[in-house]
Amino acid sequence: EAEVAQSPRYKITEKSQAVAFWCDPISGHATLYWYRQILGQGPELLVQFQDESVVDDSQLPKDRFSAERLKGVDSTLKIQPAELGDSAMYLCASSLSRGPAGAFFGQGTRLTVV
Amino acid sequence: AQSVAQPEDQVNVAEGNPLTVKCTYSVSGNPYLFWYVQYPNRGLQFLLKYITGDNLVKGSYGFEAEFNKSQTSFHLKKPSALVSDSALYFCAVRDGYSSASKIIFGSGTRLSIRP
Repeated sequence: EAEVAQSPRYKITEKSQAVAFWCDPISGHATLYWYRQILGQGPELLVQFQDESVVDDSQLPKDRFSAERLKGVDSTLKIQPAELGDSAMYLCASSLSRGPAGAFFGQGTRLTVV
Repeated sequence: AQSVAQPEDQVNVAEGNPLTVKCTYSVSGNPYLFWYVQYPNRGLQFLLKYITGDNLVKGSYGFEAEFNKSQTSFHLKKPSALVSDSALYFCAVRDGYSSASKIIFGSGTRLSIRP
């Protein structure tokens, strides 16, 4: 069964350091999402890609977060510098672009900033 | 803008009893609605979706959901709860058909099934 791959599963980093997360979507899924989920809350959309283009990044804190999907396949989300409040689960998901398709999620990266 | 509300932070049910997890939505066009389940330190798993047609949608693990357009609701149900159903449940809505449409999630409901 096709899956969304994410790495690493867990990351501990010090405040002010840089951190990066990687995501490989399900083959054929042109839409890729990065969500942030604070413990006990619902996922919040950070950025949405259609192929290599950003469709929505209105909730992405652009002073410290960046995301790219250079070849329209896998994607990287970066935080620099990390802050204590960035501690959360970062979820990547993908879906078919058109139609009423839902999103398929990876296992997530649990980030702890100390 | 579309939104999803899950009015209950937690639902407690005895094993073997029916369960309902509530969800209401707001979207400008036709709603595409989803339910997901999340176990500790895991990603979200897809349970079921409503697109059009029959208002009762069946999904994974014996779950079903009832779409009610007049009440803008999409409640998750199961006739007989299992302890293993204990998890965090999220309702979500997609606001359109295009590649630019977003999938927005509710705040989640923690379901606890006691033996």
